[in-house]
Amino acid sequence: AQSVSQHNHHVILSEAASLELGCNYSYGGTVNLFWYVQYPGQHLQLLLKYFSGDPLVKGIKGFEAEFIKSKFSFNLRKPSVQWSDTAEYFCAVNDDTDKLIFGTGTRLQVFP
Amino acid sequence: ETGVTQTPRHLVMGMTNKKSLKCEQHLGHNAMYWYKQSAKKPLELMFVYSLEERVENNSVPSRFSPECPNSSHLFLHLHTLQPEDSALYLCASSQEFGQNTEAFFGQGTRLTVV
Repeated sequence: AQSVSQHNHHVILSEAASLELGCNYSYGGTVNLFWYVQYPGQHLQLLLKYFSGDPLVKGIKGFEAEFIKSKFSFNLRKPSVQWSDTAEYFCAVNDDTDKLIFGTGTRLQVFP
Repeated sequence: ETGVTQTPRHLVMGMTNKKSLKCEQHLGHNAMYWYKQSAKKPLELMFVYSLEERVENNSVPSRFSPECPNSSHLFLHLHTLQPEDSALYLCASSQEFGQNTEAFFGQGTRLTVV
């Protein structure tokens, strides 16, 4: 069965630092990939998604992610984080079972 | 606002109570989902409805009973729950059930079983 691993459970950064959150999935077939963000007290919302085409995907708020098929990875990056990026970030994979499977999430804290 | 509304936002219930969680979407979507979010665990997919028919039941205990009376509404009926069922229950919807579809989430119902 598909599984999604997010190895960074808690990341603490200062403003302007660069961010990279890891995401790996287990199933090697056709996949769609997502990053969702959950700000404190708010609902899960889509940050970016990959369905096909350019493996480097740009999302909202300056985030991007790169799909590397050979590594089963879809890491999230942002060159310079802001305090307002403090949130929990979830990677998710949708494969040919049509189920959207999530990782455990990474809590990001950004300090001014 | 995501277009997916869940009520109540918070619920405390005893182990012998019966309660229901409600989800409503105004997006014209055909698929709706229940997820369970527990601390330090991945979101767990519980149920999937597509065009008001249940298409997925991920080995969820029978004390959780979903109902989808129409494509805009989804309920989760709860009875004789256990303390370990305490979690955030998230409803989501998508245009269709399948790949190439993005899920929209509600804000969740924070459930505490005492």
